[in-house]
Amino acid sequence: EAQVTQNPRYLITVTGKKLTVTCSQNMNHEYMSWYRQDPGLGLRQIYYSMNVEVTDKGDVPEGYKVSRKEKRNFPLILESPSPNQTSLYFCASSRAGSNTEAFFGQGTRLTVV
Amino acid sequence: GENVEQHPSTLSVQEGDSAVIKCTYSDSASNYFPWYKQELGKRPQLIIDIRSNVGEKKDQRIAVTLNKTAKHFSLHITETQPEDSAVYFCAAISSVSGNTPLVFGKGTRLSVIA
Repeated sequence: EAQVTQNPRYLITVTGKKLTVTCSQNMNHEYMSWYRQDPGLGLRQIYYSMNVEVTDKGDVPEGYKVSRKEKRNFPLILESPSPNQTSLYFCASSRAGSNTEAFFGQGTRLTVV
Repeated sequence: GENVEQHPSTLSVQEGDSAVIKCTYSDSASNYFPWYKQELGKRPQLIIDIRSNVGEKKDQRIAVTLNKTAKHFSLHITETQPEDSAVYFCAAISSVSGNTPLVFGKGTRLSVIA
């Protein structure tokens, strides 16, 4: 089954404790991205990757890192989480770029206390 | 950069009526306009998209119209049903190669009242 898988689905952590949210897709998509969703703000892009070893900042990259060492995986890293990073995070992949259909993961609800 | 405004933020309609959601964009070079539906507690999913070389696209009860001169595009849902209740997001991008970010509107919460 074609899918984008994120882990974990839910995470509560403390300020400053490094964490990684994993994202994996099995559709051989070139393009992957991370979004955060906050009430009243919609979906805002954090980082995106056009291909392996190619990553670029989105609209809200501060406090986040990503890597794309393999085509299927695109982890999101929070080196020192802060409460303002409490949000719902979605990973997405697209066949050829942001101008093709995005397939979203199930979402990760992160709470930083 | 691109800026997408979406209206209204909430919309309630009676079952069987039509619903219209409107979006405006700022970058006249934008050429791809998708609409995503997000049901409660679920992931966003593409329901329809349109590219700048056409003015309208239909898929059963859903249609999207694009006015490039005015820089706005709209989602039309006819004969609404309770299962249409969800948050709808419009988005826009100005890129031929797909290497620039997709910019989303803030969303419209549609409630269809039975």
